[in-house]
Amino acid sequence: GESVGLHLPTLSVQEGDNSIINCAYSNSASDYFIWYKQESGKGPQFIIDIRSNMDKRQGQRVTVLLNKTVKHLSLQIAATQPGDSAVYFCAYRDDKIIFGKGTRLHILP
Amino acid sequence: GAVVSQHPSRVICKSGTSVKIECRSLDFQATTMFWYRQFPKKSLMLMATSNEGSKATYEQGVEKDKFLINHASLTLSTLTVTSAHPEDSSFYICSARNVAGGPGNEQFFGPGTRLTVL
Repeated sequence: GESVGLHLPTLSVQEGDNSIINCAYSNSASDYFIWYKQESGKGPQFIIDIRSNMDKRQGQRVTVLLNKTVKHLSLQIAATQPGDSAVYFCAYRDDKIIFGKGTRLHILP
Repeated sequence: GAVVSQHPSRVICKSGTSVKIECRSLDFQATTMFWYRQFPKKSLMLMATSNEGSKATYEQGVEKDKFLINHASLTLSTLTVTSAHPEDSSFYICSARNVAGGPGNEQFFGPGTRLTVL
């Protein structure tokens, strides 16, 4: 069936280090992937997206990598800051957006 | 731009009562809106797709008579949780798709509504 999953439920990173959040998907027909950030008690916030015809896309301090061969997606956050503490979801969209399980990013001082 | 609001942000009700949650696209028109629910420390689960002027499409396992959806205008969709029970307590999040948006990030999420049923 269609699903998007995450390898780690919690990731602790030292402030200033880079964070890498991973995601696996099973629907090989997916052609559009999105990363969201959700802070406690708030709705998800768009971070970055990538189409299946790309393998890398960069934003401000964030990079998304897509490996279609192994159906793997990752989000890299450079120079992690306290404000990056949140739960991060990968998602794919066909006609509707389907979310993965989420990874909580915890920033160590 | 592209702001989606929800009202109320938080509601506490007694078991057996009905609760209505509003989702509005403030600066764009949305022919399609989506309703999600999220339990603590879990992901967002799509409940239904709401299309303006037509009946909502519910995901498998979601009771349409329990969760009534109305999408009467291009800027407003409502979710009514009928005869709410404690197990309906959850975080309900709506999303709106901008009709004018092209491929890419044209779907925007609201801030969520925390429902607590006593």
